[in-house]
Amino acid sequence: GQNIDQPTEMTATEGAIVQINCTYQTSGFNGLFWYQQHAGEAPTFLSYNVLDGLEEKGRFSSFLSRSKGYSYLLLKELQMKDSASYLCAVRSFHGSSNTGKLIFGQGTTLQVKP
Amino acid sequence: ETGVTQSPTHLIKTRGQQVTLRCSSQSGHNTVSWYQQALGQGPQFIFQYYREEENGRGNFPPRFSGLQFPNYSSELNVNALELDDSALYLCASSPERSTGELFFGEGSRLTVL
Repeated sequence: GQNIDQPTEMTATEGAIVQINCTYQTSGFNGLFWYQQHAGEAPTFLSYNVLDGLEEKGRFSSFLSRSKGYSYLLLKELQMKDSASYLCAVRSFHGSSNTGKLIFGQGTTLQVKP
Repeated sequence: ETGVTQSPTHLIKTRGQQVTLRCSSQSGHNTVSWYQQALGQGPQFIFQYYREEENGRGNFPPRFSGLQFPNYSSELNVNALELDDSALYLCASSPERSTGELFFGEGSRLTVL
């Protein structure tokens, strides 16, 4: 089967660092994505990992371990505007298009407090 | 560059009715996928269209159907609406040669009474 687990809610303080974990079980793994979704808005792309290791992009970093079926998203220097839902998604390759479908976790709602 | 646009943004239907949701993909993107997002949940894959053909389907019944047009815009049709169909319907497009990053529209919020 295909399953993605991430915590439902997290709270952190402005200026701090927070790590959001994601574990997955899926067939045909072809990359892991993190998306940010503010309430009432569309998900927006944050990061993509297909090989093991850390990808850094400004205040955001994402890590992948394929052997462990594990990823995390690290947010540094938290700002109030980072309060949002963070979605972990695994790409399952299929079909004749090279994009495949994304299997999303339920999302982690992060609340940043002053 | 125009992003992904969806219409309508909000709509209310009653059980048994039919609904059509529309999506214009981002310029240069030939792949469109549709997702259903229930409140408090992550998006669930409905289906994907590539060059006007359905190219993969999630665990949704046949009353969920779609089309992709030559300009790569797309429609999602849902027949015989049920209360559980109430959700945010997201359209996402992507270019053919990409890492698979999806560009989402703002969604259509459907309420079934």
